[in-house]
Amino acid sequence: GEDVEQSLFLSVREGDSSVINCTYTDSSSTYLYWYKQEPGAGLQLLTYIFSNMDMKQDQRLTVLLNKKDKHLSLRIADTQTGDSAIYFCAESKRYGGSQGNLIFGKGTKLSVKP
Amino acid sequence: DTAVSQTPKYLVTQMGNDKSIKCEQNLGHDTMYWYKQDSKKFLKIMFSYNNKELIINETVPNRFSPKSPDKAHLNLHINSLELGDSAVYFCASGGTATNEKLFFGSGTQLSVL
Repeated sequence: GEDVEQSLFLSVREGDSSVINCTYTDSSSTYLYWYKQEPGAGLQLLTYIFSNMDMKQDQRLTVLLNKKDKHLSLRIADTQTGDSAIYFCAESKRYGGSQGNLIFGKGTKLSVKP
Repeated sequence: DTAVSQTPKYLVTQMGNDKSIKCEQNLGHDTMYWYKQDSKKFLKIMFSYNNKELIINETVPNRFSPKSPDKAHLNLHINSLELGDSAVYFCASGGTATNEKLFFGSGTQLSVL
């Protein structure tokens, strides 16, 4: 199976919370990331979490990591229409001397309805 | 200032041609990368490069070659373009022990006709 899996679609109403889930396979990943891609745009790093952490909060974003279950989630509080985008979960793998080999999920398309 | 910039943003070309995509980063990172995003939005690493080593994903055809004139640049050359090469190509930098975040360029959409 795929190294990183996430559901493909999520639809929420403006003002609600969005929760995007992800599972990964490599327990040796040092970092886990959430990237956002707006239509026709590049990848924007939203947040990342070090593998020895359980939770990381950054303004409206909360990342939860369950290392035992290899489960990562991204919660967006008070979701806005500007949050509509594709959200990619990624785990890092060593690639020579770098951590830059990111294994991406296929992305979750978040649609926010007014 | 754009941290990772790549040009062109769009590239339309005929099958069999040779083309290049340029990438520059002003973040002072030692390591740069090329990623490919296919029509289903699936992203996969193609190369990792710093001044010490080039790592090539074994699935990348040898028609693709990265060229780095200096630490801030990693260009992607593609020979004998094929229809299946149509995709969005992203340059990135970072991802080292001291700069664990990976920063991406805005992508180059390559269409091979």
